[in-house]
Amino acid sequence: AQSVSQHNHHVILSEAASLELGCNYSYGGTVNLFWYVQYPGQHLQLLLKYFSGDPLVKGIKGFEAEFIKSKFSFNLRKPSVQWSDTAEYFCAVNRISNFGNEKLTFGTGTRLTIIP
Amino acid sequence: KAGVTQTPRYLIKTRGQQVTLSCSPISGHRSVSWYQQTPGQGLQFLFEYFSETQRNKGNFPGRFSGRQFSNSRSEMNVSTLELGDSALYLCASSHADRASPLHFGNGTRLTVT
Repeated sequence: AQSVSQHNHHVILSEAASLELGCNYSYGGTVNLFWYVQYPGQHLQLLLKYFSGDPLVKGIKGFEAEFIKSKFSFNLRKPSVQWSDTAEYFCAVNRISNFGNEKLTFGTGTRLTIIP
Repeated sequence: KAGVTQTPRYLIKTRGQQVTLSCSPISGHRSVSWYQQTPGQGLQFLFEYFSETQRNKGNFPGRFSGRQFSNSRSEMNVSTLELGDSALYLCASSHADRASPLHFGNGTRLTVT
């Protein structure tokens, strides 16, 4: 069965530190990749997405992610985090099959806490 | 443009009861998906509806069901509630193409006692 793994369950960083959150998926073929963020008390919202083309994609608020097909990974990065980045981050993947795009599968999420 | 609206925001039910949750998608979005969110499990896919038809279903028991109306509004029903059904239930809407990002509502927090 397809799965999405986020190995970091809780990450604690100081402001201005660099961030990298891991995301790996288990199936081959062509995929669409997403990162969603859930700020405290708010709904999930899209941070960035990859469909095709340049494997390095840039999203909102200075976040970027790199798709490495050979490693089945789509890690999220930010060079310098801010206190306002405190949130839960979810990686999501859907596979493109002969019948169209399949359902979106989410990882279990990574809680990021930024210490001022 | 109004976002995805879910009602009610909070529900407390007892074991054995049934519950119906409602979701109004963003205007123009024809696909509605439902997810169950619990600590440690992340978001578990329940089902997806498109044009009043269930397009995909996750690995949940038959107690979980849903439907979509002609105006794209969707309802989710859980019968014979169990303690383990306590969770945040999220609805998300998108355009017909599954490559379109999901837009989530604030969710319905269900507590089963």
